[in-house]
Order: sequence, then structure tokens, then C-alpha cells
Amino acid sequence: KAGVTQTPRYLIKTRGQQVTLSCSPISGHRSVSWYQQTPGQGLQFLFEYFSETQRNKGNFPGRFSGRQFSNSRSEMNVSTLELGDSALYLCASSLWVRSDTQYFGPGTRLTVL
Amino acid sequence: GESVGLHLPTLSVQEGDNSIINCAYSNSASDYFIWYKQESGKGPQFIIDIRSNMDKRQGQRVTVLLNKTVKHLSLQIAATQPGDSAVYFCAGSTGGGNKLTFGTGTQLKVEL
Repeated sequence: KAGVTQTPRYLIKTRGQQVTLSCSPISGHRSVSWYQQTPGQGLQFLFEYFSETQRNKGNFPGRFSGRQFSNSRSEMNVSTLELGDSALYLCASSLWVRSDTQYFGPGTRLTVL
Repeated sequence: GESVGLHLPTLSVQEGDNSIINCAYSNSASDYFIWYKQESGKGPQFIIDIRSNMDKRQGQRVTVLLNKTVKHLSLQIAATQPGDSAVYFCAGSTGGGNKLTFGTGTQLKVEL
């Protein structure tokens, strides 16, 4: 069974631009969560989607948004990029929503110049 | 607020020895814990998880121990191999949700 896939793997953007990252969960998984990983803040939860509905949101500004499609694929969007948004963005999928094992993808490395 | 992880930043062990990586959490309502291994350039890889109604769980060469009294969990790796070299994270969640709070990670270095 294929793992979680994320595209693109690498992105370079400039301040003020916006970016969309994509995540395809493991087949059959319906919950998708997004995390940001930086050297300074570590791994931080962004949001979680299940059945196209956001179930949980972390402490990030409204510039960070996401959505989930009927096939469970998910996208996250960051608008008006700031230098501090440079990070590894990780997507994780799980079968269900209740403390279920989350499997991570390889991440998208975003660099904001 | 909730926090997870009072890791040592680096742990060095000899190949073949057992490794113990420790983690502490602050929220007594945390009911699910999970350990991940992350190698350079890769996403976190699931190792083992444990729910709060258990004290111990074993996998292949790994054991997780949960002490709810002192809010502490540990990951034991038996017969540590060079391929075990990575950063190890513990994470926890509360209330049956999938929102994970991660610790800061421990770099495990395996010396030959």
C-alpha cells in the first residue's frame, strides 16, 4: 500500500506570495492532519480534516488554511508569505479521528525569500 | 498549556547496547502517546504507540513504558543498530483526538 504522498517536495517563494501544498493520504484513510516543522519551534499542529470538515485547528494565523476533498486528498494554503513561514510542512493521515495512528508523508520544504 | 517532552538533546550509545529515550508530559488528561523516528530529509516514521489504559507495549526491538503517576514515558530500543541513528520524538494527544503535541526530540547517535 502506498504511503502518504506530498507535492511538491520543494518550493521557493518570495514574501507576499501565496502557496498551495497537496497531500494524498494512504488509501482508505479519511483523516488528514498538517504540521509545520521548524528548527526553532519543532513540530506544531496546524489543522485536521475528516470528511471534508476541519475538526481541529492549531494556533496559527488565518493566513494558513486548508481543505479536504471527497477523495480525502487535502490541500493547505498559505497566503501573504512571510520569511518565518519557511519550514517543512508535513501531512499525516489516519484511518479514523479518535487517537488513531498517524502516518506521515515526506513533507514539502518551503523556503520563503 | 500542554507540553510534551523533556528530552535530552543527544544520546550516544554503542552498537549492540540498549537505548532508553525519555519523555515527560504535563497534561494529565493526555490519553494517547506515540513515538516517531525521523531521519534527515524524511518525514517522521511511526515506531510504536500506547494508550493511557496501558503501562507497557512491545514491538519489534522496541518497548514503550508509560508511567501516568509521574507523567513520563520512555522508549527502549534493544540491541541498537547504526540504522537506529535518527531523531526520536514523543507526542501525545488528549480527548481522543488526532491533534498531536510533539516534544523537542532526542538525537540518537549509534557509535560503532
